[in-house]
Amino acid sequence: NAGVTQTPKFRVLKTGQSMTLLCAQDMNHEYMYWYRQDPGMGLRLIHYSVGEGTTAKGEVPDGYNVSRLKKQNFLLGLESAAPSQTSVYFCASRGHRNQPQHFGDGTRLSIL
Amino acid sequence: GNSVTQMEGPVTLSEEAFLTINCTYTATGYPSLFWYVQYPGEGLQLLLKATKADDKGSNKGFEATYRKETTSFHLEKGSVQVSDSAVYFCALSDLSGNTPLVFGKGTRLSVIA
Repeated sequence: NAGVTQTPKFRVLKTGQSMTLLCAQDMNHEYMYWYRQDPGMGLRLIHYSVGEGTTAKGEVPDGYNVSRLKKQNFLLGLESAAPSQTSVYFCASRGHRNQPQHFGDGTRLSIL
Repeated sequence: GNSVTQMEGPVTLSEEAFLTINCTYTATGYPSLFWYVQYPGEGLQLLLKATKADDKGSNKGFEATYRKETTSFHLEKGSVQVSDSAVYFCALSDLSGNTPLVFGKGTRLSVIA
């Protein structure tokens, strides 16, 4: 049971570099989400998707882009990384209404 | 809009003590309610859930009852262990289920032997 898989698990970038975080789920879930979690803070929603080909902005979308070309994958992109984007990023997915969200193990991203 | 308020942490307890973490919510209709747990260095895991008023969710000795009259979903455990040290998040899902879960800010629990 893979569930929600995030790659990579760790990454260090220099300011201005770009990268893509991959989230894959094998539960045929419609809804997928990207969050960031900073020390001492809760989860903040970056972007989410309610189905293949759809995306929507969350609470803190600036500096990030997303794509959901396939139902099982949800990509989070940083076009020009900034130190303020140093964080732990979590992906989650959910099937139907009233169902819980299932989370990946996180990607720890440091931007120097 | 919908919101979740959790008690501020950190909470420090001795092993075998009784735990209560308060959670209250604001929502229209009858949301579903969840408690998640995050162990150090890991992602969030569902701990328990309740989908209608007076439902009691339970798992691993933890319990929470969906109280519509007080709009609360307090987490309780009769006897905590060191292994329960983690961050606990309360969350709600609105009636439509089409919007993301709304999370509280989390409560850090430390249990000392």
